[in-house]
Amino acid sequence: SQKIEQNSEALNIQEGKTATLTCNYTNYSPAYLQWYRQDPGRGPVFLLLIRENEKEKRKERLKVTFDTTLKQSLFHITASQPADSATYLCAPGTGRRALTFGSGTRLQVQP
Amino acid sequence: NAGVMQNPRHLVRRRGQEARLRCSPMKGHSHVYWYRQLPEEGLKFMVYLQKENIIDESGMPKERFSAEFPKEGPSILRIQQVVRGDSAAYFCASSNTGTGDGQPQHFGDGTRLSIL
Repeated sequence: SQKIEQNSEALNIQEGKTATLTCNYTNYSPAYLQWYRQDPGRGPVFLLLIRENEKEKRKERLKVTFDTTLKQSLFHITASQPADSATYLCAPGTGRRALTFGSGTRLQVQP
Repeated sequence: NAGVMQNPRHLVRRRGQEARLRCSPMKGHSHVYWYRQLPEEGLKFMVYLQKENIIDESGMPKERFSAEFPKEGPSILRIQQVVRGDSAAYFCASSNTGTGDGQPQHFGDGTRLSIL
């Protein structure tokens, strides 16, 4: 069955460093992959979309890579700030059915 | 703010009662998705609707749960004869086209359902 894995352990980093979050998927051939941010008590907020024919996408301090051979996406936040502390969810999409979300990785940026 | 609106934000029900959760999508959006989230867990897809049609209900329990998105008015997720295990946060999202082209989903802030 389709499976999405994100590191369930919280990621703690120092302010100013680069945070790297991983999303692995199995039994899947997604046409695209989306990343969302979720703060406590709030709904997820869309951040970035990367398609299967794109290796990398950037938006301000965010960078996403998509390796269809490794079946993996990496999400980077450069020059991290305490305000970046949140849970980050990946969602590979096939386009033929509704999105399936990973369980998310909690990022804590220490000042 | 013309975002996705969910109400109520908090809902308390006793076992056996009915829960009705409402979702008004963003203006111009005709696709609605419902998800359930348990504490410290990810979003679990329940149902995907387009105006007056259920497109995918593969994530919704076959009994006690139903969803609709009428031509006029909000989408409703209805849970009959609630049990303790139904306690969760229920999120609604909307998009202006379907999932085929990767359109982002816009989420509401959820309804937190507590069953006594």
